[in-house]
Formats: sequence, C-alpha cells, structure tokens
Amino acid sequence: AQKITQTQPGMFVQEKEAVTLDCTYDTSDPSYGLFWYKQPSSGEMIFLIYQGSYDQQNATEGRYSLNFQKARKSANLVISASQLGDSAMYFCAMRGRLNYGGSQGNLIFGKGTKLSVKP
Amino acid sequence: GAGVSQSPRYKVAKRGQDVALRCDPISGHVSLFWYQQALGQGPEFLTYFQNEAQLDKSGLPSDRFFAERPEGSVSTLKIQRTQQEDSAVYLCASSIGTGNYGYTFGSGTRLTVV
Repeated sequence: AQKITQTQPGMFVQEKEAVTLDCTYDTSDPSYGLFWYKQPSSGEMIFLIYQGSYDQQNATEGRYSLNFQKARKSANLVISASQLGDSAMYFCAMRGRLNYGGSQGNLIFGKGTKLSVKP
Repeated sequence: GAGVSQSPRYKVAKRGQDVALRCDPISGHVSLFWYQQALGQGPEFLTYFQNEAQLDKSGLPSDRFFAERPEGSVSTLKIQRTQQEDSAVYLCASSIGTGNYGYTFGSGTRLTVV
C-alpha cells in the first residue's frame, strides 16, 4: 500500500531563516510522483513543488526545494528565507493508483505539518 | 473559469438533513476528484470522474454519499441524512487530462453537522 508519513505536527521558524519539513513515503511502484502543497487558513490547497521518482536532480521552485533521498524514501521540503506569509499547513502527497486500472492517479496525503513563522 | 470554484463555502446542516455541494472545475479539465478533509487531517480521496464517467468511488464512506458529473463539467457531491461524523472540509480538484498531470484544488466547502 502507498503511504505518506509526516512526523512533525508543528514547527516554528524565525523569519528569514530556513526550515525543513519532513516527509517519508512508502510505495512498491518503481515510478511515482511526490508533491508538496500549502494550505493557508483560507482552505485552498496551493501546489508548491513536484518531484518525479526518475528525476535526476532535486526539484526547486523559488524559495522551495525538495531534498529527495530515494534510498531512504524521503522527500523533505526546504523553505529558505522564511516569510510571515509562509505560516500555514504543509502537506506532502504521493500520486496513488485508482481502482479503475487506467493511467490517472489520485493524491495520497500525509497528515500535514503546521508551520508558524515568528517575526 | 480561471480556477476551481466550490459552493457553498460554508454549510451548516442539522443531523438527518440532505446536503449538496457543488464543484465547478477548470473549463476543459477531464479529471475531477472529491476529497474529504477532517479537522487536523490530510485530505482523503472520495471519488474520481473522467469526464462524465465515475470511474472510482472506492473512497465514499457510505451509501449516503453520492456524486455525479452528468455533463462532464460541474460536479455535485450529495450527502443524505447527514451525521456528525460527516463534518469536514470537502475539497474538489481537477486535472487537465489523465496521467501525470498536476491537480488544481478549489477552496473547499466546510460542512458542519449539528
């Protein structure tokens, strides 16, 4: 079965510092995709970054980077130069298989980490 | 539309009442998903549509939950005889095709059953 584990219920970081949010995953598929989403208090899920299992390099998007360690099955999110607006829930997710046998996958989410940025 | 639109944003229902939640995906998006997010948890998959076909409904928690997408665009999630454990945020997401495409989420409907 595919599973995402986020072990940090809450994290604090000082403004302008970097923070790492942990994510480990479990899958037997050789090909998979990993996502990070941000969910502010308003509720929408905002896509941050994607890593494919065969990507040679770690993904980066602006201040977000993904520390992908395939052998350890970890996909940690690194946010550099934290801003007050980064305070939110952060979810790691994996593309999972649907039951109809086709190519479309759904998202399997972890329980999330609540990040609070201190001024 | 520019994004995925969900309505209403908030719904309070008395226990036993039926509710209908609407999702208007991005125009032309083939794939549509419904997720349920309980308080303090990550979203959990409910059901998947490819155009008007409901191809996976394995995540629906009971036969009180029903979803449809009759013309392959707008989708409605209906919950009959609501129970307190149905209280959650219901998120809709759409994707342009099938396969390895990204997902765009709506802002969700927060359902509170009293």
